[in-house]
Amino acid sequence: DTEVTQTPKHLVMGMTNKKSLKCEQHMGHRAMYWYKQKAKKPPELMFVYSYEKLSINESVPSRFSPECPNSSLLNLHLHALQPEDSALYLCASSWPGQRGKNTEAFFGQGTRLTVV
Amino acid sequence: QQPVQSPQAVILREGEDAVINCSSSKALYSVHWYRQKHGEAPVFLMILLKGGEQKGHEKISASFNEKKQQSSLYLTASQLSYSGTYFCGTVGPYAGGTSYGKLTFGQGTILTVHP
Repeated sequence: DTEVTQTPKHLVMGMTNKKSLKCEQHMGHRAMYWYKQKAKKPPELMFVYSYEKLSINESVPSRFSPECPNSSLLNLHLHALQPEDSALYLCASSWPGQRGKNTEAFFGQGTRLTVV
Repeated sequence: QQPVQSPQAVILREGEDAVINCSSSKALYSVHWYRQKHGEAPVFLMILLKGGEQKGHEKISASFNEKKQQSSLYLTASQLSYSGTYFCGTVGPYAGGTSYGKLTFGQGTILTVHP
């Protein structure tokens, strides 16, 4: 099983709403990632969890709050978002790599988020 | 820092070959290549590590020049299914305190294969 599952596939939320994106993998990967992708742009790294601990936060606004409850699950909690936060949010996971050397990442299908 | 890809777009006929280049201004530990079709997730193609190790699909080849911080992806005898946006991702020097380097993607190369 080389699948990363993200839910929901589509989400429309108001600027005062609170919602969560979910990501699940059963490949035994110990690194999990959140990326944000705008149309016709590359994925931009937001957060990295390594062994369930937050290891990289790319100066993401606090209205995005990641959570890694266990080695298979990754959540992204959303609150008070802005219309410019509308994008495709991708989750990815990878095997543990040697120091500084990522192994290949497997991506989920993403959640298409629209903030109105 | 974001790697730079070239060309930005390529148009081919089935059976033709293409090369996509990726370069970085910083020292690299590894280079990753992904393909993303419209509305789909990026799919892993190839990883090239400092020291010569590489792993990927049999029908795709790539090179990694560590000294020049450059990588090239070679697509031979292209098929319609090769169409999509190709991204290179680079991992720079180890960031102290983290187990995983930061994977940063280039701007992408749009490949279109016509019958």
